Amino acid sequence: NAGVTQTPKFQVLKTGQSMTLQCAQDMNHEYMSWYRQDPGMGLRLIHYSVGAGITDQGEVPNGYNVSRSTTEDFPLRLLSAAPSQTSVYFCASSDRDLVHYGYTFGSGTRLTVV
Amino acid sequence: RKEVEQDPGPFNVPEGATVAFNCTYSNSASQSFFWYRQDCRKEPKLLMSVYSSGNEDGRFTAQLNRASQYISLLIRDSKLSDSATYLCVARGTSGYALNFGKGTSLLVTP
Repeated sequence: NAGVTQTPKFQVLKTGQSMTLQCAQDMNHEYMSWYRQDPGMGLRLIHYSVGAGITDQGEVPNGYNVSRSTTEDFPLRLLSAAPSQTSVYFCASSDRDLVHYGYTFGSGTRLTVV
Repeated sequence: RKEVEQDPGPFNVPEGATVAFNCTYSNSASQSFFWYRQDCRKEPKLLMSVYSSGNEDGRFTAQLNRASQYISLLIRDSKLSDSATYLCVARGTSGYALNFGKGTSLLVTP
């Protein structure tokens, strides 16, 4: 099993550009989430999904869109990149047994907006 | 105010020492709690779930105190490889999303 796969690992964008961060999991997990991690701020939830076709906003959703057309994929779209979106982005997934297993994280995408 | 608060440290301890981390959570409705470990520039990895009865995994012991709304992690016989940031986590009210503390940094020295 590959687990949670994120692409790209690194990306530099210019202000105003758009892009999609890809996330795929092969564990048939229902729950998927996107977090961003910034120095001094910890991990903050952007969007999450409890199954195909169902998404909801987290703590910091502005400037990001998500969709969940399949169980496996949960892409994160930056609509118009801003320097404030420079961060490390983590995708995570879990099955229904969150109590015991929590979330499994991808290796992250390091995004710089200039 | 974050829902989960931790002392950021750093905690500098010698090999073989016992070290304890605490964190507090603000949402009394939180049902599940975890400790994650994060190495520098890596993704967080689940260290252990925290159960009401307390649980132990080798050198690691986690405790939950619902009355005081705090969670603890005890590491015995610290190893150099334990050096990392430890994240305290509570499941949010949505039931599916996790709320992370900012992490406690541990450095184990020879």
